[in-house]
Amino acid sequence: DAGVIQSPRHEVTEMGQEVTLRCKPISGHNSLFWYRQTMMRGLELLIYFNNNVPIDDSGMPEDRFSAKMPNASFSTLKIQPSEPRDSAVYFCASRTTTGFAGELFFGEGSRLTVL
Amino acid sequence: AQTVTQSQPEMSVQEAETVTLSCTYDTSESNYYLFWYKQPPSRQMILVIRQEAYKQQNATENRFSVNFQKAAKSFSLKISDSQLGDTAMYFCAFLWDTDKLIFGTGTRLQVFP
Repeated sequence: DAGVIQSPRHEVTEMGQEVTLRCKPISGHNSLFWYRQTMMRGLELLIYFNNNVPIDDSGMPEDRFSAKMPNASFSTLKIQPSEPRDSAVYFCASRTTTGFAGELFFGEGSRLTVL
Repeated sequence: AQTVTQSQPEMSVQEAETVTLSCTYDTSESNYYLFWYKQPPSRQMILVIRQEAYKQQNATENRFSVNFQKAAKSFSLKISDSQLGDTAMYFCAFLWDTDKLIFGTGTRLQVFP
């Protein structure tokens, strides 16, 4: 299996621009999570989906952030407009809700730099 | 609210020695899971070991073992025979029935030759 695939791996953009991060979960996994990692705040859960439905988006920092999962094999995290404080590494992770609970498989992350 | 605390920002150990990373958590839940994840410089998060709260026996995975003290809400990771490849950030994480995996702030481990 190819694992969780994220793109882009690196993104540099200017303040005010729209940023879209993409994620392909592992085939057969029905839960998908978006995390943000910064030095100051560590790993924060932004939002997660079960069976393509958003379950908890309480970690989404503000309305500039939105996430979608149109089908079981694709999810996006969008920031519009972006700000320098959004600079971070964004991780997507997936798991199956059957079997042993909780093992998340992470992608390699998308490093976002907003100038 | 559930919290996870890692009080050691950085640790170092010599190759082949043993090191223990600390983690404490706070919860009112009785059924939950605990994990240690490793994040090497490549950035990918890798599961090292996991523990179900209802199991009294401490989990072990090769050179990695945990000391799970449920009453004290403590979950430390012991790495035996440390190797250079163990150099990484280590995150303690907590999961309960909400599906939310909450991470601690991490401990940076450096293994020296």
